[in-house]
Amino acid sequence: GAGVSQSPSNKVTEKGKDVELRCDPISGHTALYWYRQSLGQGLEFLIYFQGNSAPDKSGLPSDRFSAERTGGSVSTLTIQRTQQEDSAVYLCASSLVFVSEAGANVLTFGAGSRLTVL
Amino acid sequence: AQKVTQAQTEISVVEKEDVTLDCVYETRDTTYYLFWYKQPPSGELVFLIRRNSFDEQNEISGRYSWNFQKSTSSFNFTITASQVVDSAVYFCALSEAGGNTPLVFGKGTRLSVIA
Repeated sequence: GAGVSQSPSNKVTEKGKDVELRCDPISGHTALYWYRQSLGQGLEFLIYFQGNSAPDKSGLPSDRFSAERTGGSVSTLTIQRTQQEDSAVYLCASSLVFVSEAGANVLTFGAGSRLTVL
Repeated sequence: AQKVTQAQTEISVVEKEDVTLDCVYETRDTTYYLFWYKQPPSGELVFLIRRNSFDEQNEISGRYSWNFQKSTSSFNFTITASQVVDSAVYFCALSEAGGNTPLVFGKGTRLSVIA
């Protein structure tokens, strides 16, 4: 696609429910990233993928969070047994590759998925 | 310790004033990359600039300019003759190890330009 697409744009759920957030990166981008933006906390790195592989999962806040990417394209971030502190905007970004001869690549971000846990 | 510090949480200026957004970073690597992104009210982050650690030349793009000083580990962003459309949250970010680490962002500076 022309840009990074995220869905849903807005999700309200009850505490304890599971949620799935979807990210469709720019076509041809092999690297995909998930960040979380909480009020006043800036952007918190969660996980990134090179192709379908996630070399670094250390940013995931707890074992309730998981992410997968299939076919080198769409990625899903799943939060199980949601808690109120999970309320945030979840941002997805993609780049052509993770790092190239030119160095760190520019990330293109989606508009985010706003999650509210009641 | 924060790797990227944006000490100014919020700044408010009157249109046409110049404004500088501060960014201080921390790294032990010799090769790293610094970025600035803009997040307008619509929410989608927009890339502004990328700078590698070996290029200390200041850069100017229209009303925007960036001052990179390795001696003080700072990468400050100046908007000249600010406009209402510049109102946004601005983020500074760092990628270490020659660009082999994911971007680490500061907490952002919210800029309000008042007409």
